[in-house]
Amino acid sequence: EPEVTQTPSHQVTQMGQEVILRCVPISNHLYFYWYRQILGQKVEFLVSFYNNEISEKSEIFDDQFSVERPDGSNFTLKIRSTKLEDSAMYFCASSETVLDPSSGNTIYFGEGSWLTVV
Amino acid sequence: GENVEQHPSTLSVQEGDSAVIKCTYSDSASNYFPWYKQELGKRPQLIIDIRSNVGEKKDQRIAVTLNKTAKHFSLHITETQPEDSAVYFCAASLTAWYGQNFVFGPGTRLSVLP
Repeated sequence: EPEVTQTPSHQVTQMGQEVILRCVPISNHLYFYWYRQILGQKVEFLVSFYNNEISEKSEIFDDQFSVERPDGSNFTLKIRSTKLEDSAMYFCASSETVLDPSSGNTIYFGEGSWLTVV
Repeated sequence: GENVEQHPSTLSVQEGDSAVIKCTYSDSASNYFPWYKQELGKRPQLIIDIRSNVGEKKDQRIAVTLNKTAKHFSLHITETQPEDSAVYFCAASLTAWYGQNFVFGPGTRLSVLP
């Protein structure tokens, strides 16, 4: 069964450093997402990406964050100048084409990248 | 924007008993409601979902009901087993041409006691 894959699984970084989290969505999916989960808390939406541009973003996704699809398979989340409060599990997700706006599609999560900022 | 509430935050049941988790949502335009199970340190795994044109859906021991008028939906697990122990998240989403924005509930920690 195809899966969303993420690297690294765990990264420790110094406060103020830049971090890039990488994701390979499921190959026939066209919608890509990043979510964040602080330890013990709920999963929070960061950004969605479609047709090579950001389609929606939350208030968490400020100028510190950026996303990119540098080639046909990878989808990256860059965090500039990391802060202690950026420590969290970051999940990439993808979903298929929305054929019918009256229904929803399942999104599939990757295993997550655990970011620790020290 | 959408707001999803979930109750209870923790739930303990005896093995074999049923468990019910309830969620409410605020945006009447939301049309897709998945439930995810998350074990410690792992990704959320979809266990069942329901779309707004359906009132109930069942998959073996798991069922979900949706009341669009009241804007709430519930997860029902029957004959619970210890391996059902996990955190369960509900979510609501509105489907648009640009994709979906899932808003998750705060989660319910289910413990099934042997």
